[in-house]
Amino acid sequence: QVQLQESGPGLVKPSQTLSLTCTVSGASISSGGYYWTWVRQNPGKGLEWIGYIYYTGNTYFSPSLKSRVTISRDTVNNKFSLRLTSVSATDTAVYYCGRQSRGVDIDLWGQGTLVTVSS
Amino acid sequence: DIVLTQSPGTLSLSPGDRATLSCWASQSVTNNYLAWYQQKPGQAPRLLIYGISNRATGIPDRFSGSGSGTDFTLTISRLEPEDFAVYYCQQYGGSPPGFIFGPGTTVDVK
Repeated sequence: QVQLQESGPGLVKPSQTLSLTCTVSGASISSGGYYWTWVRQNPGKGLEWIGYIYYTGNTYFSPSLKSRVTISRDTVNNKFSLRLTSVSATDTAVYYCGRQSRGVDIDLWGQGTLVTVSS
Repeated sequence: DIVLTQSPGTLSLSPGDRATLSCWASQSVTNNYLAWYQQKPGQAPRLLIYGISNRATGIPDRFSGSGSGTDFTLTISRLEPEDFAVYYCQQYGGSPPGFIFGPGTTVDVK
């Protein structure tokens, strides 16, 4: 059974960098043809796709966040990570990691982690 | 940029009712890359339908998807108590390609 679990600081100061990790169990992030993705949801709002990393290591990001986002992977520990620089209050959200089996939809989600940007 | 619109914003129904949720795309959806998700309070979204009409693993057959081009529908044939939630449509595509989510439809108890 494949499971994903987000982890990272719940509070980040404005202008600093948000860093989150998604630990994957039950599947290897470097095989299988899967895409591993990040999505966020501002409190009480809708869903916003951030970007993904392919099993090959290639990445792709939302154009609206591209200048501030990095997604990387640690194949030894089977994790992938999100870094979002220069955060502001509008980056306060629940951040979800997920898996795209077909590349075009997200069939497996982590439980999500709330990150608040505040001084 | 492609925009997804969902209607209605809120649908108030009773258990046993039929629910019909609509999703419109500002441009034609390519390669049938249209999916639906269910989200309950405090939970992550759950994939219901992919490729317009294919049920994801473990999804009951009371959920069905249909449509083509720019107009899509999620139908819940008979609402169960656990079906009251928010539903999002999602499209993959555009130039440059990426994920776009609709604003969601809330199905609540009448």
